[in-house]
Amino acid sequence: AQSVSQHNHHVILSEAASLELGCNYSYGGTVNLFWYVQYPGQHLQLLLKYFSGDPLVKGIKGFEAEFIKSKFSFNLRKPSVQWSDTAEYFCAVKRYGGSQGNLIFGKGTKLSVKP
Amino acid sequence: DADVTQTPRNRITKTGKRIMLECSQTKGHDRMYWYRQDPGLGLRLIYYSFDVKDINKGEISDGYSVSRQAQAKFSLSLESAIPNQTALYFCATSRSGGDFNEQFFGPGTRLTVL
Repeated sequence: AQSVSQHNHHVILSEAASLELGCNYSYGGTVNLFWYVQYPGQHLQLLLKYFSGDPLVKGIKGFEAEFIKSKFSFNLRKPSVQWSDTAEYFCAVKRYGGSQGNLIFGKGTKLSVKP
Repeated sequence: DADVTQTPRNRITKTGKRIMLECSQTKGHDRMYWYRQDPGLGLRLIYYSFDVKDINKGEISDGYSVSRQAQAKFSLSLESAIPNQTALYFCATSRSGGDFNEQFFGPGTRLTVL
């Protein structure tokens, strides 16, 4: 079965630390890749997305992600986190073929940033 | 602003009761989705609809039903609620085709089944 794996359940960092959240998927065909963020008590918002082209994607709020096709990975990075980045982060994959338009979500990674 | 709205935002109900959660959107999107979110499990797809006449089961459709009353409205029903349906429910929308695969989420409905 296709799946999306997020390696860390909970990450705790101090402000200004660098962040990398891992995401791997198991589907071998063409995919679109997304990172969503959910701030406490809020709905999911799109951080960034990859469809094609440059595998390094820049999103909002200084986040970026790199698609490495050979590793089936789409890791999220930020050079210097802020307290306001405290949230839960979800990686999602949309595959071509089958149920087009459907996303498969990872289980999420909670990020806690200490001031 | 074009938006995705959900009603109610919070609901507490008892086992066996019928519950309907409603979702409306002003984005003009043709596709709509219902997810549930449980701690540590991420979001799981319950049902999705690619247009008014197209309804499909998702990963965890048992115990749920849906109705697409119009392009802008997509309701989720729990015919006989049970405690393990306690969760946060999200509606989402997207446009079909091309690069328009991004899903836009509503604010969520927190449902508690006692």
